[in-house]
Amino acid sequence: NAGVTQTPKFQVLKTGQSMTLQCAQDMNHEYMSWYRQDPGMGLRLIHYSVGAGITDQGEVPNGYNVSRSTTEDFPLRLLSAAPSQTSVYFCASSRLLTYNEQFFGPGTRLTVL
Amino acid sequence: GQQLNQSPQSMFIQEGEDVSMNCTSSSIFNTWLWYKQEPGEGPVLLIALYKAGELTSNGRLTAQFGITRKDSFLNISASIPSDVGIYFCAGPPAGNMLTFGGGTRLMVKP
Repeated sequence: NAGVTQTPKFQVLKTGQSMTLQCAQDMNHEYMSWYRQDPGMGLRLIHYSVGAGITDQGEVPNGYNVSRSTTEDFPLRLLSAAPSQTSVYFCASSRLLTYNEQFFGPGTRLTVL
Repeated sequence: GQQLNQSPQSMFIQEGEDVSMNCTSSSIFNTWLWYKQEPGEGPVLLIALYKAGELTSNGRLTAQFGITRKDSFLNISASIPSDVGIYFCAGPPAGNMLTFGGGTRLMVKP
């Protein structure tokens, strides 16, 4: 099993550009989530999904869109990147009944100039 | 906003020393979790606690679910260089969401 995979590993964008961060898991987990990590702030939940076709907002959803068309994939879209979105982004997955026990991907480091 | 406060924010200790860190919440949690993040990696779950007063060990790590349900503690005994990383507490404030503390950065001097 590859676990949770994220691409790209690093990305530099200019303000106003759009892009999609990819996340996939091969553990047949129902629950998937996206976090951003900023220095001293811990991890903050952006969006999450409890199954294909179902998504919901987390603590800091503004500026980000998600969709969940399959169990395996949960892409995160930045429609118009802003410098405030410079961060490290982590995707995670788990069984729905044990959603606290999440498996994290390796992260994507995004810089917006 | 963030509901979990971790202390200390950072620790620089000598190899072999014991380590203690804690996490407090403004509200009651039914679950407490401790994750570790190594440089350049995503967090990894260390210990999950589901019952007030529960004491659980994972090797040299021991975590406790506070009786008030508003705090949790993590102890590391006889630290080694590979213990270096950021330790996060986490818990579910409501619904299907997980909230993380700001982390305790641990540095170990050989």
